[in-house]
Amino acid sequence: EPEVTQTPSHQVTQMGQEVILRCVPISNHLYFYWYRQILGQKVEFLVSFYNNEISEKSEIFDDQFSVERPDGSNFTLKIRSTKLEDSAMYFCASSTGQGGTNEQFFGPGTRLTVL
Amino acid sequence: AQSVTQLGSHVSVSEGALVLLRCNYSSSVPPYLFWYVQYPNQGLQLLLKYTTGATLVKGINGFEAEFKKSETSFHLTKPSAHMSDAAEYFCAVRGDYTGGFKTIFGAGTRLFVKA
Repeated sequence: EPEVTQTPSHQVTQMGQEVILRCVPISNHLYFYWYRQILGQKVEFLVSFYNNEISEKSEIFDDQFSVERPDGSNFTLKIRSTKLEDSAMYFCASSTGQGGTNEQFFGPGTRLTVL
Repeated sequence: AQSVTQLGSHVSVSEGALVLLRCNYSSSVPPYLFWYVQYPNQGLQLLLKYTTGATLVKGINGFEAEFKKSETSFHLTKPSAHMSDAAEYFCAVRGDYTGGFKTIFGAGTRLFVKA
């Protein structure tokens, strides 16, 4: 069964460093998302992406964050200068369509630890 | 805008007992509702979803949920708990064109199963 994959599974970085989290969505999906889950808290929406553009972003997704689909398969989340509070589990998701009936398939997540 | 409230951050049941995890939603349009399960240090797995049609939805691992519009509820149940059901459970609602198409998660309910 097709699945969303994410690399790395764990990333440890120093405060102020740039990190890139990578995701490979399901191949025929057109809509891509990033979510974040701070330890012990709920999963929060960061950004959605379609047709090489951001469709929607949350308040969390400030100028430190960017997303890109550099080729036909990868979808990346870049954090330019990490802060301690960026430590979280980051989930990538993808879907075939935008409507609510289109299931978003979630990847296993990347745990980011900022020291 | 859509929102989700999960009643009870922790629920403890004995093995073999009924599992009931409560979820209430708020939506100005017909909602698309989901339950996800997250095992320790793992990603999000879809348990079941309601989009349209039958209001009693059956999912994986013996779970089911009933959409009750009059009560704006989508409670998750399982007749007999198993030790392997111990996990975090998230109720979620998909936004539509009025609120973006992101998935909005509840705060989660951690299920403990006692032997």
